[in-house]
Amino acid sequence: GEDVEQSLFLSVREGDSSVINCTYTDSSSTYLYWYKQEPGAGLQLLTYIFSNMDMKQDQRLTVLLNKKDKHLSLRIADTQTGDSAIYFCAEMEAAGNKLTFGGGTRVLVKP
Amino acid sequence: DAGVTQSPTHLIKTRGQQVTLRCSPKSGHDTVSWYQQALGQGPQFIFQYYEEEERQRGNFPDRFSGHQFPNYSSELNVNALWLGDSALYLCASSVPGQGVNTEAFFGQGTRLTVV
Repeated sequence: GEDVEQSLFLSVREGDSSVINCTYTDSSSTYLYWYKQEPGAGLQLLTYIFSNMDMKQDQRLTVLLNKKDKHLSLRIADTQTGDSAIYFCAEMEAAGNKLTFGGGTRVLVKP
Repeated sequence: DAGVTQSPTHLIKTRGQQVTLRCSPKSGHDTVSWYQQALGQGPQFIFQYYEEEERQRGNFPDRFSGHQFPNYSSELNVNALWLGDSALYLCASSVPGQGVNTEAFFGQGTRLTVV
C-alpha cells in the first residue's frame, strides 16, 4: 500500500536554507509533488518531479529524488518569513488518479 | 482565470444532517477530485470524477457521494453527518494527459464543522 511520511517540524533562520524531507513506499509512483499550505488556506502547488528524474530546480526551490531509497527532499534557498507554512509531499499513483499525502512539515522561519 | 473555486467557505451542521459542497474547476480542466483534510493531518482522497462518472474512490463510506455536471463542476454530498466529518474539504481539478494527471490545482476548501 501507499504511505508517505514527513518530519513534523522545522525551524530555520531567515536567509538560511531549509531542507524538508519525505519518504514514500509506492515504487510505482509516477510523479512526486510538494504543496504549501498557509493557515486557513488551500494547497498551493510548488513544484513536482517525474519519478525518472534525480533533481529539479525552480528558482529558490530544489527537489532531489533518490528513487532507490524512496526519499524526496525540498530545499528552499534564502528562506523568507513568507515561507512559514505547512509543506506536504505527495505521490501520484501509477494510474494517475489519486494523490497520497504525507502528514505535513510545519516550517517556522525566525527573523 | 479564477482557478478552482469552492462554496461555501465555511459551514456548520448538526449531527445527522446532510450537506452539499460545490466546486468549479479551473478553466480547461475536466477532472475533479475531492479530499478530506482533518485538523493537523494531510489530505485524504475521497473520490475523483471524470466525464460525469466516479472514476476512483478512496476509503470512505457510502455516506459520501458526488456528482459531476456537463460543465465539469462537481458536488460532494455527505449524509448522516458525524462529528468526525468535521474537516476542511478540498477540491482539486486537473487535466488528464495520457492517463496521468500531472498537475492538480486545489481550491481554498470548505471548512465543515459538525456539532
